[in-house]
Amino acid sequence: DAGITQSPRHKVTETGTPVTLRCHQTENHRYMYWYRQDPGHGLRLIHYSYGVKDTDKGEVSDGYSVSRSKTEDFLLTLESATSSQTSVYFCAISEDSAIMNTEAFFGQGTRLTVV
Amino acid sequence: ILNVEQSPQSLHVQEGDSTNFTCSFPSSNFYALHWYRWETAKSPEALFVMTLNGDEKKKGRISATLNTKEGYSYLYIKGSQPEDSATYLCALTDSGGYQKVTFGTGTKLQVIP
Repeated sequence: DAGITQSPRHKVTETGTPVTLRCHQTENHRYMYWYRQDPGHGLRLIHYSYGVKDTDKGEVSDGYSVSRSKTEDFLLTLESATSSQTSVYFCAISEDSAIMNTEAFFGQGTRLTVV
Repeated sequence: ILNVEQSPQSLHVQEGDSTNFTCSFPSSNFYALHWYRWETAKSPEALFVMTLNGDEKKKGRISATLNTKEGYSYLYIKGSQPEDSATYLCALTDSGGYQKVTFGTGTKLQVIP
């Protein structure tokens, strides 16, 4: 199994509070991604990173920010959590040739509930 | 945003039966198609990546074909086993950029012993 660890695995938080999810990899892969998975939707890309301090938005980036200060860590922050951000969040990594034609490896997911 | 459709949404088959399901996508700007297997309470695992029209990939009892001109891919499972029960996701990468991977909603397969 690829070395990807997401933390926390489960979190319940109140509306309006900031939340940070962490993705840690030991594979030294260049590309890292944050997805959310909701019923009736496939995995939807929130943000991705193509290197240290290099990040860009995905299709559902509103309300989220990310940071990548070192290769192994990719943080996802909800600045002020809302109930619509209740979801399961998956981190993924892929090799230097990016997710285009190579497989992605996924973390175990973080279940976030905003009450 | 690309429209990647998978059908059926869910499927129940008897152990030993063979089955197949479909991923449909817009054929323009195609770059790659991925299939993932996603078991409950686990993370998605890559099965295949296909890039060329007519590609066929096989892994054990599971195989996939790709038709980029008409915009579809089939995933086949021969002699289904209970351990094949999972959600099968397809994902499309278009030529617009390596970050543009769009996932379908999946086909949930239940193999009944």
